[in-house]
Amino acid sequence: LAKTTQPISMDSYEGQEVNITCSHNNIATNDYITWYQQFPSQGPRFIIQGYKTKVTNEVASLFIPADRKSSTLSLPRVSLSDTAVYYCLVGGSGYSTLTFGKGTMLLVSP
Amino acid sequence: DTGVSQDPRHKITKRGQNVTFRCDPISEHNRLYWYRQTLGQGPEFLTYFQNEAQLEKSRLLSDRFSAERPKGSFSTLEIQRTEQGDSAMYLCASSLGGTSGPSTDTQYFGPGTRLTVL
Repeated sequence: LAKTTQPISMDSYEGQEVNITCSHNNIATNDYITWYQQFPSQGPRFIIQGYKTKVTNEVASLFIPADRKSSTLSLPRVSLSDTAVYYCLVGGSGYSTLTFGKGTMLLVSP
Repeated sequence: DTGVSQDPRHKITKRGQNVTFRCDPISEHNRLYWYRQTLGQGPEFLTYFQNEAQLEKSRLLSDRFSAERPKGSFSTLEIQRTEQGDSAMYLCASSLGGTSGPSTDTQYFGPGTRLTVL
């Protein structure tokens, strides 16, 4: 069961790039890495998913080194509305248990 | 666009009572998940369905918890003899799974049901 570790909180200002790193030292060969965003009183929302190297979509990039023991979510030019909790999810293949980390509370200030 | 819906949104009950929550997934999504989330923690996996089959249940899940997904559509989560420690947000998610495992799915979460046990 892959356990994840993230910083508890991060602060940033509008317009800056934010990088949030998640450690998952015992990630299994078939595990994918998925990031979710959660606002208060709402369910998490999918941001991005990857297996190795780099993945980019319209809202974020995900960097995964060759050993896959960590991953970094990159949010370009954050705005106030990006203030939320960000979770790194590492799950196994088949029907194994999915594990969310404790999340990183990102606070974006003007 | 109909996303995942959950009912009720809030539930207050007294210790020892039974409660039941409902989740309506996105239509045609074959996978459905239940999670529990307490303040300051990430969602904790409870159970997972593929169509009507309950394929996995967390080892941490008490026997007081039971979930069903009749006909592979909506799902219910029942908690019997509630305890104060059951107070949490109960989240439901669904996904359109393929041949690979659930970790590759994009899960769509509902707004959750907040349970308070007095």
